[in-house]
Amino acid sequence: QSVLTQPPSVSAAPGQKVTISCSGSSSNIGNNYVSWYQQVPGTAPKLLIYDTYKRPSGIPDRFSGSKSGTSATLGVTGLQTGDEADYYCATWDSSLSAGVFGGGTKLTVL
Amino acid sequence: QVHLVQSGAEVKKPGASVKVSCKASGHIFSNYGIAWVRQAPGQGLEWMGWISSYTGGTNSAQKLQGRLIMTTDTSTDTAYMELRSLRSADTAVYFCARKVGGAIDYYFDLWGQGTLVTVSS
Repeated sequence: QSVLTQPPSVSAAPGQKVTISCSGSSSNIGNNYVSWYQQVPGTAPKLLIYDTYKRPSGIPDRFSGSKSGTSATLGVTGLQTGDEADYYCATWDSSLSAGVFGGGTKLTVL
Repeated sequence: QVHLVQSGAEVKKPGASVKVSCKASGHIFSNYGIAWVRQAPGQGLEWMGWISSYTGGTNSAQKLQGRLIMTTDTSTDTAYMELRSLRSADTAVYFCARKVGGAIDYYFDLWGQGTLVTVSS
């Protein structure tokens, strides 16, 4: 059972928009920055979003991050088949004094 | 180019130890921390802990304390993760990742390719 809760799967058609939620608490998302990672099965994760809403160099602006209270959201617009992957949120949990990941969300582009 | 290159796959018996290496290149090793993250077959990512390449200070998940040892060798820009008293539940792909930021405002911007550790009798 992950400290951060993500939906197991989301899906949408090419060109459409999808959002992936990450729900936590005041000890983690509520008071700390969130990062998001994309992982194609069999490969290493890749940083998509850091400091809750910032994109690293090379990440297209189709990917966006936001936060409200104790929940964070990853948005992906203009879906492409290459976006099919598992997506993970991550942050620090001040109560656990440990890093935490969400359980992951599988994105399917229909 | 910046890289983190990990050592190869390992097969260990229950009760044994494993040591995985993570060699950095293309950046100033001591400017960053190194985190270790594992992924059991078909499961999600699990934060194990991290080490400051500058101070050697560590922070690890409570469930692994006593079994997880993280070290760095600044002369070779290499980080090491040793896990002792292995059990079948430790079978996973182990990733090292470059940690940017402080204790709570951090993220992992560069990842190793992963090392499969199989624990089996």
